[in-house]
Amino acid sequence: GDSVTQTEGQVTVSESKSLIINCTYSTTSIAYPNLFWYVRYPGEGLQLLLKVITAGQKGSSRGFEATYNKETTSFHLQKASVQESDSAVYYCALGITGNTRKLIFGLGTTLQVQP
Amino acid sequence: EAAVTQSPRNKVAVTGGKVTLSCNQTNNHNNMYWYRQDTGHGLRLIHYSYGAGSTEKGDIPDGYKASRPSQENFSLILELATPSQTSVYFCASGDPGGSNTEVFFGKGTRLTVV
Repeated sequence: GDSVTQTEGQVTVSESKSLIINCTYSTTSIAYPNLFWYVRYPGEGLQLLLKVITAGQKGSSRGFEATYNKETTSFHLQKASVQESDSAVYYCALGITGNTRKLIFGLGTTLQVQP
Repeated sequence: EAAVTQSPRNKVAVTGGKVTLSCNQTNNHNNMYWYRQDTGHGLRLIHYSYGAGSTEKGDIPDGYKASRPSQENFSLILELATPSQTSVYFCASGDPGGSNTEVFFGKGTRLTVV
């Protein structure tokens, strides 16, 4: 089957400190899935944070980065210096293509940035 | 930017009642999706559609029906609502598989079944 595992629960980081949210994936549907990070700010819907479709490539947006590592089947989200406005729920997702086109999500990680 | 609009944003329903959640998208996307989000489960796919007239079962379809009467509209129907269906529901449209495409989400519908 297809699944995504990410850092569970809540992560609390002090402002200006670094962040890493782990994400690993497993898929039997497709050899090279597209990988995504979505973010949900309070009161908002999910927004695409970044997307990488090629193994070995890095995506970046709003200071966040994630590298598509096919060897370790990982797509960890990192930021060098978080801000209070980064407090949100972050979801790692796997894009299934081919005959069935859908997103498979991890459980979500709540980031709380302390001032 | 792609717009996905859900209605209602909040709903309280009684057990055994019928509930219809509506979704409208204005970007001519073929694919539309319904997910539910629950603590400890993340987002799980209920139903999806590849175009007007088509509906497909997702990973957790039991207790739900879907309807895609047009390219723009995709509804999720709970014929006999149960408390276990209390959740936040997200509609989405787009394509997760293309190099220049993405999936856009609505703001969610909070459903409480009492």
